[in-house]
Formats: sequence, C-alpha cells, structure tokens
Amino acid sequence: DVKVTQSSRYLVKRTGEKVFLECVQDMDHENMFWYRQDPGLGLRLIYFSYDVKMKEKGDIPEGYSVSREKKERFSLILESASTNQTSMYLCAAIGALGVAFFGQGTRLTVV
Amino acid sequence: GQQLNQSPQSMFIQEGEDVSMNCTSSSIFNTWLWYKQEPGEGPVLLIALYKAGELTSNGRLTAQFGITRKDSFLNISASIPSDVGIYFCAGQLSEDSNSGYALNFGKGTSLLVTP
Repeated sequence: DVKVTQSSRYLVKRTGEKVFLECVQDMDHENMFWYRQDPGLGLRLIYFSYDVKMKEKGDIPEGYSVSREKKERFSLILESASTNQTSMYLCAAIGALGVAFFGQGTRLTVV
Repeated sequence: GQQLNQSPQSMFIQEGEDVSMNCTSSSIFNTWLWYKQEPGEGPVLLIALYKAGELTSNGRLTAQFGITRKDSFLNISASIPSDVGIYFCAGQLSEDSNSGYALNFGKGTSLLVTP
C-alpha cells in the first residue's frame, strides 16, 4: 500500500498568514490530490497534480495554490489564510488500480 | 467532480445489528471504493470493486458493484463498537487516473454503535 504522510496533524494560524501544508507519498505515483472536508459537504477537491510541476484546479481552488517540485511531495498553499478556510485538509495519492490512499489529515484553524 | 448520492446520512444502531448503506450515481463507473474514516483521521480503504456484479467481502464487511455500474452497497454484519466512524463511497470514472475528476465521493454515512 501507498503511505501518505501529512506534515502536521493540527495547525492554528492567524488571518492573513501564508500557510503551507505538506504531503509526502512513499511510492512512485504520479497522481496526488488535495481535498478539504467540512461537515455536511463531504470531500471537495481543491487541486490535483498528475506529474511533477503539473497542476490542475479542482472544484474549489480559490484562495489556494499548490506546488509539485518533486514526485513524492505535493504542497498546498493558502496565500492569505481566512477564517472560512478553517477545515480538515486531506492529501491523497492514487496507487495501482486507481485506489486513493489518504494521509492522516491536517486540522487547520484560522483565527 | 460529481457528488454521489450516499444514504443513509447517519445510523444509530445497537451492537450486534447488521448495517446496510448504499451509493448511487447518474454516471457509470469502472471502479467503486469504500472507505472508513475514524474521528481525526484520514479515510482508510475497506473494499475495492472493479467489475459490475462483483461481490467482495472483507471480514464482516461485504460490498457489491451494481450491475448497472451506477450503484454500490456496503453491508456490515454483527456490528461492534469499533465500527463507529464515517463510511464513504467513491466512484472512479476512468481507469486513466490522470484526472482529478476520476474519483467522485459520497458525503458519507455516519455510523454510531451502542454497546
């Protein structure tokens, strides 16, 4: 199985700060994804990447950007954090047969 | 991406009862996946289904890929307190996963089990 590791379990940031969420996978998989999860809304796709330096917008990219400089690492950037970006953020990598493996999640609170 | 219709939204049952939940879609999928998410954790894969009509078991869990390729169900038999969590279905549109829209998720079924 693919192991996906997110750098932080919990983060508290101030409004206006630039926030970096890091995600690393231990297999050589091209496809990586960032989702946010909110009660009643399920998982919503923010950005995805299917190769190094390649990125595509998902359903809710506004206020976010991403970086994929190395195959194993996919970073989500909140350019200027706002309180409505308080959420659970989940990173995923797609392994063999199209199965998504998730990280443990980062609970971000913006105050 | 498309949001799948997952039901029920929540279930509150007694230990030992059987549980059934399902997902439907207006689109055909090539793959159906079922995940469980425990509080404060990321989703963990339970069962993957790759063929219409396929019935697959994983311990007390059984899942089926609907014959129309537009639905799937998950059953849990003889529930225990550690079954508590949110169960998500996910459908994949294409075997070519070079698309963020390849995976579509249901909103989840929240399961509570009382001893």
